Amino acid sequence: TQLLEQSPQFLSIQEGENLTVYCNSSSVFSSLQWYRQEPGEGPVLLVTVVTGGEVKKLKRLTFQFGDARKDSSLHITAAQPGDTGLYLCAGVKWTGANNLFFGTGTRLTVIP
Amino acid sequence: EAQVTQNPRYLITVTGKKLTVTCSQNMNHEYMSWYRQDPGLGLRQIYYSMNVEVTDKGDVPEGYKVSRKEKRNFPLILESPSPNQTSLYFCASTSGVKNIQYFGAGTRLSVL
Repeated sequence: TQLLEQSPQFLSIQEGENLTVYCNSSSVFSSLQWYRQEPGEGPVLLVTVVTGGEVKKLKRLTFQFGDARKDSSLHITAAQPGDTGLYLCAGVKWTGANNLFFGTGTRLTVIP
Repeated sequence: EAQVTQNPRYLITVTGKKLTVTCSQNMNHEYMSWYRQDPGLGLRQIYYSMNVEVTDKGDVPEGYKVSRKEKRNFPLILESPSPNQTSLYFCASTSGVKNIQYFGAGTRLSVL
């Protein structure tokens, strides 16, 4: 069962453009995490958003948690080639040891 | 330096030949997991372990075994690999308080 759907699945843009990646679910999560994965490496945590409506900024990256805690978005301003990678959202459930559910992933390519 | 170490990084094998992928972490984490990553499907959890001698099935456990005899090690065992187990595998170790997952660099497995 895929709890989290990301869109778009693939995104190729020119350097300097803005973009938004969406992470949607019908389930409610206690928090939501975003990871970035580069070729040949494992995912690395970028941010965790906890409160419904919360917005966090990491340099040119802005993360938002939906008011209902079912969805999230990642917005990148003035994309750089170094932003190229696979972006994964992951929802954290309140209870249970098996409580982290990953999205389907968005592969971003920023062309110089 | 916090590390999750997987070996081997690349493995080509034939159907039915038993193999083990090792995973070791140096952060004294109790919670460890194994995931497989396939295009368009994101990361899917195979097995997880909450502590020594405590393991449980994730979303896609069929064809896999794990053991947790020591806190730092969590090997993944494929008793009789099949071609549908060709995938990219990640081991992860989780800090309990902040629920941050630290991933290994991955093992790319091809079963012929």
